[in-house]
Amino acid sequence: NAGVTQTPKFRILKIGQSMTLQCTQDMNHNYMYWYRQDPGMGLKLIYYSVGAGITDKGEVPNGYNVSRSTTEDFPLRLELAAPSQTSVYFCASSYEGLSYNEQFFGPGTRLTVL
Amino acid sequence: AQSVSQHNHHVILSEAASLELGCNYSYGGTVNLFWYVQYPGQHLQLLLKYFSGDPLVKGIKGFEAEFIKSKFSFNLRKPSVQWSDTAEYFCAVRPYSGGGADGLTFGKGTHLIIQP
Repeated sequence: NAGVTQTPKFRILKIGQSMTLQCTQDMNHNYMYWYRQDPGMGLKLIYYSVGAGITDKGEVPNGYNVSRSTTEDFPLRLELAAPSQTSVYFCASSYEGLSYNEQFFGPGTRLTVL
Repeated sequence: AQSVSQHNHHVILSEAASLELGCNYSYGGTVNLFWYVQYPGQHLQLLLKYFSGDPLVKGIKGFEAEFIKSKFSFNLRKPSVQWSDTAEYFCAVRPYSGGGADGLTFGKGTHLIIQP
């Protein structure tokens, strides 16, 4: 199993540009998450999904959009990039049944907006 | 909303020293507790977790943590650290709501440097 994979690893955007961060998991997990990590801060939840076709906002959703058309993929879309979105983005997944389980994280995407 | 406080942002220790990293959370209900580690250049990995039962939990690589409900704490410990323990350590909390999906609430992290 590759686990959770993310592409790209690094990206530099200009203000106002758009891009999609890709996330794929091959563990058949039903739940998927997007977090951002700013320097010196913990991870903050952007969006999450409990299954294909179902998404919901986390703590810091403004400026982002997500979709979940398949169990495996959970892309994060930035429509109009702003310097405040410079961060490291982590995707995670977990299998949730009767009880919670650990989340598995991808390697992250380092995004700089200039 | 819940929050997580990690008291030490930077810790420098010598090899073989004992380690204790503090973690306190604010949430009145039942919680699931986690410690994650991020080694240089790698992604977050689970060190250990507490869901219920024995409040002293053991994780990988000789780490352990103790859940003290009355103190809302979940401190991470290791009796003798190694150079390879140099990493960023994150405490995380998830309220046990019994339904729906909440992500984890993370502390700001502790950057641990072990000197040979």
